[in-house]
This record gives sequence, structure tokens and C-alpha cells, in this order.
Amino acid sequence: DAGITQSPRHKVTETGTPVTLRCHQTENHRYMYWYRQDPGHGLRLIHYSYGVKDTDKGEVSDGYSVSRSKTEDFLLTLESATSSQTSVYFCAISAGGMREENYGYTFGSGTRLTVV
Amino acid sequence: GDSVTQMEGPVTLSEEAFLTINCTYTATGYPSLFWYVQYPGEGLQLLLKATKADDKGSNKGFEATYRKETTSFHLEKGSVQVSDSAVYFCALRSMTTDSWGKLQFGAGTQVVVTP
Repeated sequence: DAGITQSPRHKVTETGTPVTLRCHQTENHRYMYWYRQDPGHGLRLIHYSYGVKDTDKGEVSDGYSVSRSKTEDFLLTLESATSSQTSVYFCAISAGGMREENYGYTFGSGTRLTVV
Repeated sequence: GDSVTQMEGPVTLSEEAFLTINCTYTATGYPSLFWYVQYPGEGLQLLLKATKADDKGSNKGFEATYRKETTSFHLEKGSVQVSDSAVYFCALRSMTTDSWGKLQFGAGTQVVVTP
């Protein structure tokens, strides 16, 4: 979607290798999120960030790490990829804040990762 | 903790049929409620939202009413088109210490509309 891009769009990697996915935004939003989407599980939050160098774990964070050294970039790293991490990964951004009428997430187009 | 429950899919229906996707929630306080749609090969897009009880969100012919008494936010459309084929996600946002205002998503409901 406009203002948020994910790279790569597709990747095939071998078990045991490290993999980094990138999320880049041009909206200057404070909050960024990484989700994985799997059949029967919907969207599950992996990690999120509420500012530069401020990150926290989501519900399925084991085996993943993140970094945010700049407002616009949020990196997701699979430290040693496993077949269970084969999934579609989505990044999302939000401005946050307390004004509910303005609240919402903008999603990237996703990265399809296959671990063989 | 907060949770969202959606009806399981896939939901298959003919063009011009009436669509309902049930969504119920459990949350502390007074959450805001959302419907997102995901078209094939794309990310999720906000479809509509409601921020307080009895509010009705609407967009592209879809509607959903925030029912606090039944903790529900069912999505409806009176006459679907083939282009409405997608996965629909119900979500909530509650401002509690634990949730911190993050969106909590349901599992998604796939809708298939045939000509």
C-alpha cells in the first residue's frame, strides 16, 4: 500500500539460515508491527515497536528478533529459520494516539517466506 | 484477555445474495471495533469501524453495528458481487494496560462469491 513497502515479496531459504525481512514506511508513523498469517490462525503478532529502539514481544515471538534504528524502518530477523516459520509475513503501521476516529492500521503487501 | 471470534468459513454464495459474517468479542472496557478485508495476494485494508456502542460503520455497501449488549459487530451486505470475494477480519482495540491499544484480530472468514 502507499506509504509502506515490504521487501522481499517472496523468499525461499534453507533451514538453519538467518533471514531478514524489511518494512519501510514513509508516513512517519510511530508504531510498527510484524504479523504472520497462517491458515486457521488468522494474524498473529510477532513483535511491535512504539518508537526508535523501542520494541516489545507479541504472542509468537520465539525464534524472531526485530530492530528499529530509524523511524521508517522495522526489520524482522529469523535467527535460524525453521520449516514452521514458513508463512506470509505482514508489516503494519499506525499513528497511534487516543483519537479513535483517526485510528487504524495500514498494512504492507506481505512477504511470502518458504523455509525448505 | 481480549479476543475476537468470527464465524468459520469459507462462506460461499451467489452474486446478489445477502451476506452476513458474525463477529463477537470479549474485552475489558469499551473497545473500538473494526472490519478489515484482504483481497487475494494483498495486505489487509480497513473496511469500516465503529468507536462506541450503537455506532454503525459503513463502506462500499457493507455495514456493521456495534452492539454492546450482545458484544457483537456483525458485517452485512445486501447484494454481494464477485469482486467481494476476499477474507474478512474482525478486530478490536481496547485501551488497557495489557493490550496497550493494539488491534486484536479474529481468525478471518473467507467469502467466495460465484457468478
